[in-house]
Amino acid sequence: DVKVTQSSRYLVKRTGEKVFLECVQDMDHENMFWYRQDPGLGLRLIYFSYDVKMKEKGDIPEGYSVSREKKERFSLILESASTNQTSMYLCASSLYPSGSPYNEQFFGPGTRLTVL
Amino acid sequence: KQEVTQIPAALSVPEGENLVLNCSFTDSAIYNLQWFRQDPGKGLTSLLLIQSSQREQTSGRLNASLDKSSGRSTLYIAASQPGDSATYLCAVYGNQFYFGTGTSLTVIP
Repeated sequence: DVKVTQSSRYLVKRTGEKVFLECVQDMDHENMFWYRQDPGLGLRLIYFSYDVKMKEKGDIPEGYSVSREKKERFSLILESASTNQTSMYLCASSLYPSGSPYNEQFFGPGTRLTVL
Repeated sequence: KQEVTQIPAALSVPEGENLVLNCSFTDSAIYNLQWFRQDPGKGLTSLLLIQSSQREQTSGRLNASLDKSSGRSTLYIAASQPGDSATYLCAVYGNQFYFGTGTSLTVIP
């Protein structure tokens, strides 16, 4: 079974702090994704990566950056946390190249981040 | 931009009832559609994936159908159980993954 793990289930930070959220997958998947999930807005894509050291902006990248130094690990960085970044953060991975009908996403358990 | 809609937002049924959840999308140029289950405060669990060339997929009591031309998918749950209570989300995969906001299902014992 594919396993996607996230470094924390719950996190509380102060405004202005630098925050690191880490995601690790153990199935050698090529693609990794970071989403945030807010009530009424659904899942929104922040960043994704199709290869090591490669990143692409999603729909809401402002205020975030990412790092993918190793294939299995994808980190989301909040350079200076703000209260409007309080949310559930979900990491996902998938195996196949872009455009494959076999591309299935597998999700981690999520990190509930609260910024005070 | 692709828009994915799930109606109703919430559904409550008695145990044992068969039910259908709906998902519609605006752009039929998709590679696949995936159904997920999400329990409160948890991540998403993949239930079924239907490739664009397929019409349906089945897993146990779950059956998902896809009509790409009309932009619709349904998730059929047979003989519902209280353990089926969760939020069900659909996602379509085109140039990226697009998610609906989900249907919150409550199965009453």
